[in-house]
Parts: sequence; C-alpha cells; structure tokens
Amino acid sequence: QKEVEQNSGPLSVPEGAIASLNCTYSDRGSQSFFWYRQYSGKSPELIMFIYSNGDKEDGRFTAQLNKASQYVSLLIRDSQPSDSATYLCAVKPSNDYKLSFGAGTTVTVRA
Amino acid sequence: DVKVTQSSRYLVKRTGEKVFLECVQDMDHENMFWYRQDPGLGLRLIYFSYDVKMKEKGDIPEGYSVSREKKERFSLILESASTNQTSMYLCASSLLGTAKAEAFFGQGTRLTVV
Repeated sequence: QKEVEQNSGPLSVPEGAIASLNCTYSDRGSQSFFWYRQYSGKSPELIMFIYSNGDKEDGRFTAQLNKASQYVSLLIRDSQPSDSATYLCAVKPSNDYKLSFGAGTTVTVRA
Repeated sequence: DVKVTQSSRYLVKRTGEKVFLECVQDMDHENMFWYRQDPGLGLRLIYFSYDVKMKEKGDIPEGYSVSREKKERFSLILESASTNQTSMYLCASSLLGTAKAEAFFGQGTRLTVV
C-alpha cells in the first residue's frame, strides 16, 4: 500500500465550478498535511497546509482533514483556467523529517 | 524572498558518466532533500540530510549518492549514469524540528541520459 494515494485524474471542471480533490494516507500518526500546486514544467509550490481536524479556508481554497478516516481533501471554489495544474498531496509522517507525496491529480478547468 | 536554486535547468549526459546536481538554499534550513519526479509516480525521495555531513537514504537511493559539506549546499551524485535515471530532479529544503515545516522547492533539473 502506498503511503499517500490520490486519484490521478485528469479531473475536468467548467470555469466557475468547484473542483474536489481527495487524498488518503496510511500512517495514522501523521501530523501535517500539505497541498502543493505544480504547473507543467515548473516546481511544486505550497498552497495549503492543515494540521487539525476540520476545515481550513484560504481564499478560494478549502482543505479538509479527517484523521479518523485518514483522509484529506482540497476544494477549489469558482475554478479558473489558471487553476489548471497538477495538485500534489503531501503528508508528514510521525517522527520523521521528510514529506511523502502522492502521485498528484491533474486538474483542467474548461473556459 | 526564500530561494532554493539548482545549478542546471536541463542536462544531457552519456551513459556511464558521473553526474553532479547541485542545490543551494539561502533560508538557513537544516533539512534538504533530493526527489525525482516521473509521470504517474509522483515525487520519490532519493536522499535527505538534516545536518551538515549527515545523510539518510530515502525510498530509491540505488545508483545515487549525496554530499553535504556546507549547510546551504546539497549535492546529488549519479555515480554511473544510466538511461533509467532520465528524470526531473527536484531539490527541496525545510526547517528542522517542526511538524509544520513546509518544503520549498528548487526549479528542477531535467536530466536526460543518452
């Protein structure tokens, strides 16, 4: 079983719609959860992080964490063509320095 | 503005060559990482370092080694390049000792081994 799993997509949504991305992880003791956005040919950049159960909102982005279900999600509201990218879920396992990444979900926003 | 800089954006090397990928960060971060990224496989950790001269193997260390002689610099070495090491290589750094530490990435080096 992979440490971090995401639906690979591609996920295609119309402009203005909500894009919903999901991520599950295997280490129940994981403490920190990150969402990175990666445009084609570019390096990943952090867009959201969450540590506590529940929702965290930042502009059009909402991260949701459910530690009991080992599940973290990212919602992108009012999707724009500029949101078209690959979104990487990253998890920091307990007692570890490094991040484990999922394979990423590719999102395409149709104008 | 935080910065992680990789020495080359694109590299083409021949099979059997020894290849050096350099990474420098200016954020005084203790942790530094080397990942490779391949389509459908995501980012896979090759090696990481949490202090000068300290290193630990990641998930796919075979065929690679690393060097960290100074805090700001972390080098990835391909001892004898092979075609299956053609990939995008990403360096990252983060603060030590906090669960909240995000990783900052360099711009990536696309290596082609022919």
